[in-house]
Amino acid sequence: SAVISQKPSRDICQRGTSLTIQCQVDSQVTMMFWYRQQPGQSLTLIATANQGSEATYESGFVIDKFPISRPNLTFSTLTVSNMSPEDSSIYLCSGIGPDYEQYFGPGTRLTVT
Amino acid sequence: GIQVEQSPPDLILQEGANSTLRCNFSDSVNNLQWFHQNPWGQLINLFYIPSGTKQNGRLSATTVATERYSLLYISSSQTTDSGVYFCAVENTGNQFYFGTGTSLTVIP
Repeated sequence: SAVISQKPSRDICQRGTSLTIQCQVDSQVTMMFWYRQQPGQSLTLIATANQGSEATYESGFVIDKFPISRPNLTFSTLTVSNMSPEDSSIYLCSGIGPDYEQYFGPGTRLTVT
Repeated sequence: GIQVEQSPPDLILQEGANSTLRCNFSDSVNNLQWFHQNPWGQLINLFYIPSGTKQNGRLSATTVATERYSLLYISSSQTTDSGVYFCAVENTGNQFYFGTGTSLTVIP
């Protein structure tokens, strides 16, 4: 299995600012992903974080708004840029372990005022 | 993308009861997992089950890939089973799609 941690666990930010969320895995994972979960809703995939190259974004998500880095196999960051209240959500990172199972971090609860 | 529908959307059980949750998906998948999201928001792996049947204690799951559905069985439910259950599928392009979820409340 893989244990995934995220920082910060929660934050309250002002409109127009940016926040970078960090995701650390305790062991190597083959793939890493970033998701968004609105209150009471399911998870929506934002992007696949690719090691050493640009992330692969899902429809409706763009690099200028959600820049992602993955400098090595166990670490990734997601930045939420130029935030608006509509960006208030829980952001989760995940990784695929050697057993092909997907493991999730505890999430970052973001509130934009 | 793949459509993933779960039923029922909400379920209330008396402690000790059994239940079956269903996940239907619209296309062929490489991977299917069941997750439990506890009231604190943490997603916990229950099963990795692209096909066949698996059991883990009071929980078991069956996926019939050719008919594009999966079932999660919970027996002798406990209050700690409360939360939201999601199935998630992976398509051939390594994209993951989560289902709509089943919110379970187990009352003592």
